[in-house]
Amino acid sequence: DAMVIQNPRYQVTQFGKPVTLSCSQTLNHNVMYWYQQKSSQAPKLLFHYYDKDFNNEADTPDNFQSRRPNTSFCFLDIRSPGLGDAAMYLCATSNPRGEGTQYFGPGTRLLVL
Amino acid sequence: AQSVTQLGSHVSVSEGALVLLRCNYSSSVPPYLFWYVQYPNQGLQLLLKYTTGATLVKGINGFEAEFKKSETSFHLTKPSAHMSDAAEYFCAVSYTGGFKTIFGAGTRLFVKA
Repeated sequence: DAMVIQNPRYQVTQFGKPVTLSCSQTLNHNVMYWYQQKSSQAPKLLFHYYDKDFNNEADTPDNFQSRRPNTSFCFLDIRSPGLGDAAMYLCATSNPRGEGTQYFGPGTRLLVL
Repeated sequence: AQSVTQLGSHVSVSEGALVLLRCNYSSSVPPYLFWYVQYPNQGLQLLLKYTTGATLVKGINGFEAEFKKSETSFHLTKPSAHMSDAAEYFCAVSYTGGFKTIFGAGTRLFVKA
């Protein structure tokens, strides 16, 4: 089945220690997204890629970076995690020629100690 | 600016009762409308969507929603709640040619035995 995969599902890191979350997709979609979701809140878009074109949201902290080495993979790097960065991180994809349906991975829950 | 409003952050129903989750949007152009469901510690899953055509759309798990342009609403209903319907529900909009989805704040559905 075509899908969006996120690894790991749970990640524990230390305050200030860089961490990388990964996402892969078998849908062959051009657009990939990273969202941050805190408890009982809607997902908050951090950035998205349209192919290799990177689009950062204006309020995304510089602490968050992303890489997309190819169509299938996308990484979220948090350079110096703070306690406030503990959240669920969701990866999603969409087909830009479609109506905007987003296909989400299961998420990675990040804990910062 | 486009926005999505979900009335009620929490809704509680008894098993077997009607489920009604409300969603209103503001938009100057015809939107695409979505309902997503999120179970604990999982990503978002598409329940149903309206793009064009019939205004009553049916989704998975017995849910349906009706697009009412005059009311700018897209309320989600299910005739008979099941315990497994307990989850967070997000209403969302996107637009032709756009890569972003605007999410409502979410409604948590509780189902009582």
